[in-house]
Amino acid sequence: GQQLNQSPQSMFIQEGEDVSMNCTSSSIFNTWLWYKQEPGEGPVLLIALYKAGELTSNGRLTAQFGITRKDSFLNISASIPSDVGIYFCAGPRSNTGKLIFGQGTTLQVKP
Amino acid sequence: DGGITQSPKYLFRKEGQNVTLSCEQNLNHDAMYWYRQDPGQGLRLIYYSQIVNDFQKGDIAEGYSVSREKKESFPLTVTSAQKNPTAFYLCASTSLSGSGYNEQFFGPGTRLTVL
Repeated sequence: GQQLNQSPQSMFIQEGEDVSMNCTSSSIFNTWLWYKQEPGEGPVLLIALYKAGELTSNGRLTAQFGITRKDSFLNISASIPSDVGIYFCAGPRSNTGKLIFGQGTTLQVKP
Repeated sequence: DGGITQSPKYLFRKEGQNVTLSCEQNLNHDAMYWYRQDPGQGLRLIYYSQIVNDFQKGDIAEGYSVSREKKESFPLTVTSAQKNPTAFYLCASTSLSGSGYNEQFFGPGTRLTVL
């Protein structure tokens, strides 16, 4: 079945550093979604990507839809302590209206 | 303000009891979803509903039940048949038409603890 593999599983970085994480699949996706979940809260949608090769920014966050349609990348520039959380990628399961989620990348930022 | 609300935020239950988690949305979204999240894990789909009075099992439906009598509401009942119900439960919704199709929006979650 369809699966999304996120890496790295966790990151512990210094404030001010840039962060990169990615999400890969053996299946083709026509949409990639990136969410952030803070402790004890529900995930919040950060960026949605709909076209292969698309590069979209949201403040210090930039996400790219891989040209093979089997991967996506999320970059965070100049990290700050409030970037702490779990970042999930997600993609639709065919045309079911359901999403598949990656296992998440846990980010910790040291002030 | 439009959004998704879940209540209660924290819930404690004794073994053998059924408990119902509330989820309400005023986004006029068609579809609603229930997920379960365990510590250090991703989200697993329990049930989903794309239209009123209809719902489908997700990947881990055993021990859970739902209803969708109104478009705005999608309550989840955790029954005594669920063997390990302690978890963080998340409700989500999405529109099934127009731009933003597939973009699910989440509530703040309910943390259920079985004593």
